[in-house]
Amino acid sequence: EDQVTQSPEALRLQEGESSSLNCSYTVSGLRGLFWYRQDPGKGPEFLFTLYSAGEEKEKERLKATLTKKESFLHITAPKPEDSATYLCAVRRSNDYKLSFGAGTTVTVRA
Amino acid sequence: EAGVAQSPRYKIIEKRQSVAFWCNPISGHATLYWYQQILGQGPKLLIQFQNNGVVDDSQLPKDRFSAERLKGVDSTLKIQPAKLEDSAVYLCASSLVAGGFSEQYFGPGTRLTVT
Repeated sequence: EDQVTQSPEALRLQEGESSSLNCSYTVSGLRGLFWYRQDPGKGPEFLFTLYSAGEEKEKERLKATLTKKESFLHITAPKPEDSATYLCAVRRSNDYKLSFGAGTTVTVRA
Repeated sequence: EAGVAQSPRYKIIEKRQSVAFWCNPISGHATLYWYQQILGQGPKLLIQFQNNGVVDDSQLPKDRFSAERLKGVDSTLKIQPAKLEDSAVYLCASSLVAGGFSEQYFGPGTRLTVT
């Protein structure tokens, strides 16, 4: 069975204090690792898809990287508007289902 | 481009009552998903439709949950009878095509409270 574990559960940062979130996974035949952002009372918003080890993607202050066992979401010089829950999900090669982790809730204080 | 629409946004019912949720996906998206998100957890897939056919309903509690997608567009998810443990946010998502190269776009969800 697929396992997706995110750490830490919660992260409190000062504005401008860079940090990283971790997503470790166990899946048979990875067909993509996905990062989503979820604001309170809203559905998840797609950020990135990574397909192979060594791949990196960036969007504004966010950078996602992938190894064979884990993915990192780096937040550089965060701002209060980066406060959200960040979800990681994996898809296996033989089906279309996304298996999500529990998320990391990031709070950025001004 | 209009996003995924869901209604109602909130619903409070007593246990053993029934409830229905509605979803309208992004226009032209062939694949529709229903997820259950319990507080503090990530979303869990309940059912996936490709056009109006079911692709995966392996995690749908079929004794109380049912879903349909009429004419390959809108979808409804029903719970009958509801249990306390069904309290959760029910998310609808859609994607252009099924498979690994098509992102899923989520609606705002329906927050269900069962008392």
